Amino acid sequence: GENVEQHPSTLSVQEGDSAVIKCTYSDSASNYFPWYKQELGKGPQLIIDIRSNVGEKKDQRIAVTLNKTAKHFSLHITETQPEDSAVYFCAASRGGKLIFGQGTELSVKP
Amino acid sequence: GAVVSQHPSRVICKSGTSVKIECRSLDFQATTMFWYRQFPKQSLMLMATSNEGSKATYEQGVEKDKFLINHASLTLSTLTVTSAHPEDSSFYICSAGTGATNEKLLFGSGTQLSVL
Repeated sequence: GENVEQHPSTLSVQEGDSAVIKCTYSDSASNYFPWYKQELGKGPQLIIDIRSNVGEKKDQRIAVTLNKTAKHFSLHITETQPEDSAVYFCAASRGGKLIFGQGTELSVKP
Repeated sequence: GAVVSQHPSRVICKSGTSVKIECRSLDFQATTMFWYRQFPKQSLMLMATSNEGSKATYEQGVEKDKFLINHASLTLSTLTVTSAHPEDSSFYICSAGTGATNEKLLFGSGTQLSVL
């Protein structure tokens, strides 16, 4: 089955800096890669996603890149703000079943 | 807009009792819903896939008699934790697929279950 590895587990940046979170997946048939943001005590919220036929996608300060050959994808957050502090999860999916990475706790210090 | 509503948000119960968690899709129909479990500072682990009008599909290692799932309508799925024990204490989250391929998952706000 699919296995998703996510790094780093914790990330601390200064406000205004960029943050990068990386994930690798094992199943080459996976074709959908979403990123979720989870705040304490709440359910995850979809922030951006990408399909396997696209290499990069951007939405304001957030971007995701996908390298199908290497089977890895990354989340890039620019101009970080304190409200970006949360746990971020990557996931991979084939046929609707999402497998999540272990999560990255991002802390943005003002 | 489309929202997944989950209730209750928090429940405390005695060991041996059963607890029901409801998950509703608002403003859309969800033929498929997913139930996840999350321990503190850990990832989301898929427990089961719930399909409207049919039996749920459980992941390996999840006891179907322990975690009863019912998806009787296109807008409601329920998870019942039967004879709960302290080790069942966890954060339970439901989700529903949206979009043309049902891959974009909308998550509920989660239920924190504490079994004394």
